[in-house]
Amino acid sequence: GAVVSQHPSRVICKSGTSVKIECRSLDFQATTMFWYRQFPKQSLMLMATSNEGSKATYEQGVEKDKFLINHASLTLSTLTVTSAHPEDSSFYICSAETTYNEQFFGPGTRLTVL
Amino acid sequence: GQQLNQSPQSMFIQEGEDVSMNCTSSSIFNTWLWYKQEPGEGPVLLIALYKAGELTSNGRLTAQFGITRKDSFLNISASIPSDVGIYFCAGQYLSGGTSYGKLTFGQGTILTVHP
Repeated sequence: GAVVSQHPSRVICKSGTSVKIECRSLDFQATTMFWYRQFPKQSLMLMATSNEGSKATYEQGVEKDKFLINHASLTLSTLTVTSAHPEDSSFYICSAETTYNEQFFGPGTRLTVL
Repeated sequence: GQQLNQSPQSMFIQEGEDVSMNCTSSSIFNTWLWYKQEPGEGPVLLIALYKAGELTSNGRLTAQFGITRKDSFLNISASIPSDVGIYFCAGQYLSGGTSYGKLTFGQGTILTVHP
């Protein structure tokens, strides 16, 4: 299967700081990538759809100024959590879509905001 | 957002037993997908189903795309300890207006296998 990486795998930051998470498709090009958030023992909730060369589309209730998404190339999308607060602590997972519309997921990033 | 109804929520079984889990939706999907997630990791694609009625196997795993396009099941035969994890179904609907397909996830089935 296609490989998607995320960096960092874990990050701990102070309240008020910004954190950037990278999502890369390693062996295929992805016009579309997705960002999810997952709380413990819960399912994945889609936050936004990231399209290369255009603005991201955010799901209802997700603050676009809080969660900045940049899809700079066909293999890289970044999610920046701005002015992070403890309630932003979560597991953030990205996925990249192939030309066959299959989604492959990254290993996730555990964000802890103190 | 919309979620699929996945059941059961959890299963505790003995090694060697067969497992069955299913998902239902009020909406139709073009594609049904089954993923497995282990602690601290992202979901891994197990099986993808593209046609109503399709039955697909991947080793000890078998999944079917319901005829109504509103349901799917996943069976695991002869379970082993490494089958432990959370299994998610996901439905995907590709509309004519977009080239990508957002996934809608079920709540997950937590599988525990006792040796």
